[in-house]
Amino acid sequence: DAGVIQSPRHEVTEMGQEVTLRCKPISGHNSLFWYRQTMMRGLELLIYFNNNVPIDDSGMPEDRFSAKMPNASFSTLKIQPSEPRDSAVYFCASSLGAGSGNTIYFGEGSWLTVV
Amino acid sequence: AQSVTQPDIHITVSEGASLELRCNYSYGATPYLFWYVQSPGQGLQLLLKYFSGDTLVQGIKGFEAEFKRSQSSFNLRKPSVHWSDAAEYFCAVGAGSGNTPLVFGKGTRLSVIA
Repeated sequence: DAGVIQSPRHEVTEMGQEVTLRCKPISGHNSLFWYRQTMMRGLELLIYFNNNVPIDDSGMPEDRFSAKMPNASFSTLKIQPSEPRDSAVYFCASSLGAGSGNTIYFGEGSWLTVV
Repeated sequence: AQSVTQPDIHITVSEGASLELRCNYSYGATPYLFWYVQSPGQGLQLLLKYFSGDTLVQGIKGFEAEFKRSQSSFNLRKPSVHWSDAAEYFCAVGAGSGNTPLVFGKGTRLSVIA
C-alpha cells in the first residue's frame, strides 16, 4: 500500500520566492497534518485538517504560511514569501481520524532550504 | 492539555548493550502513548503504542515500552541494541478522548558504537 506521498523531497530556493509543498495522504484517511521539524524547535504541528476542513491552524508561524486541502487526496502547504528561517523539514502525515487514538502515518518529508 | 518530556537529548550505547529511553507525560486521565522512530532522512515510523490493558507493550524491531501511571512514564526499552537502531526516537501522548492530535516530545537521538 502506498504511504503518505510528499513532493518535492528536496527544494532549494531563494529568499522571497514562493514555495509550495504537496501531499497525498493515505487513501481512506480523513485527517491530515502538516508538521515542521528543525534542530532548534523539534517537531511542531503547523495545521491539521479533518474531512478536508482546517481544524486548528494555531501552529502556523505567520501569514506567510497557508495550507489548503481541496479534496480528500491532496493538500498543499505554501510559503510566500519564503525566508531563510523557514529552512526545515516539512512532514505531511495522515490518520483515520484526528483523535489521538489514531495512529499517525508520516511521509518522508520535504527538505526545504531557503538561501 | 497534555505534554510530554524526553529528558535525554542524546544517548550513546554500545552495540549489544541494553537500552532505555525515557519519556514522561502530563495528562489528567489515562493517555494514549506512542513511540515513533525516525531514521536519518526518513519520516517517523510507529514503533508501538499503548491505549489500555497490559502495561507492557511490545513493538516492532524488538522494542518494548512500559506504562507506569504512578511515575507518569512510558519508557522504551530494548535488551540488545543493533547498529541499525541508531536513529531519533520520539515519544508522543494523546488525550484519551476528544479530537485533539498527538503531542510529540523533542526526541532522543540514539548513537550506537561498536
